Amino acid sequence: AQTVTQSQPEMSVQEAETVTLSCTYDTSESDYYLFWYKQPPSRQMILVIRQEAYKQQNATENRFSVNFQKAAKSFSLKISDSQLGDAAMYFCAYSSGTYKYIFGTGTRLKVLA
Amino acid sequence: KAGVTQTPRYLIKTRGQQVTLSCSPISGHRSVSWYQQTPGQGLQFLFEYFSETQRNKGNFPGRFSGRQFSNSRSEMNVSTLELGDSALYLCASSWGRSSDEQYFGPGTRLTVT
Repeated sequence: AQTVTQSQPEMSVQEAETVTLSCTYDTSESDYYLFWYKQPPSRQMILVIRQEAYKQQNATENRFSVNFQKAAKSFSLKISDSQLGDAAMYFCAYSSGTYKYIFGTGTRLKVLA
Repeated sequence: KAGVTQTPRYLIKTRGQQVTLSCSPISGHRSVSWYQQTPGQGLQFLFEYFSETQRNKGNFPGRFSGRQFSNSRSEMNVSTLELGDSALYLCASSWGRSSDEQYFGPGTRLTVT
């Protein structure tokens, strides 16, 4: 069975600094997708970034980028130039052809002014 | 375009009762997934419906059931409520491919006393 692990329950970063959130996963499938979702306090969950497993190039979306290490089954999220609005719960997620999303337990990111 | 809506937003029920939660997906989306979110457990996948058919389900007891209507609206039912069922129940809609972004609703906060 597939699993997703986020080992950092909470992280803090100074405004304008860079932070990296960790995620590891386990699967025997070769074709799958990885996602980072953001859940701001009392607001709806939204997609931050997506990575296709067959693509070697790391995905980037403005200040957000991933470090996808397929062999190590690692998928970390880097947030550059952190802003107060980045404070949220961040969830790593896995999806494959079974139409079943598997989420990690989340990392709460605090941004310090 | 209207987002995913869930009703009701808050519910208080007593142990042993049953409850029905509703989810209206984004127009055109045919897939609806349901999740249970609790502190420390992250999001646990309940089930996914596509064109009125359940395509996958998570590891929840049979007390948790769902259905999807021809207009893609979905309902989730929990019978014989237990204290441990207290959680935020999220639904998410998408076009139905594993690679698709999921669009989340605001959730229904269920409290069982």
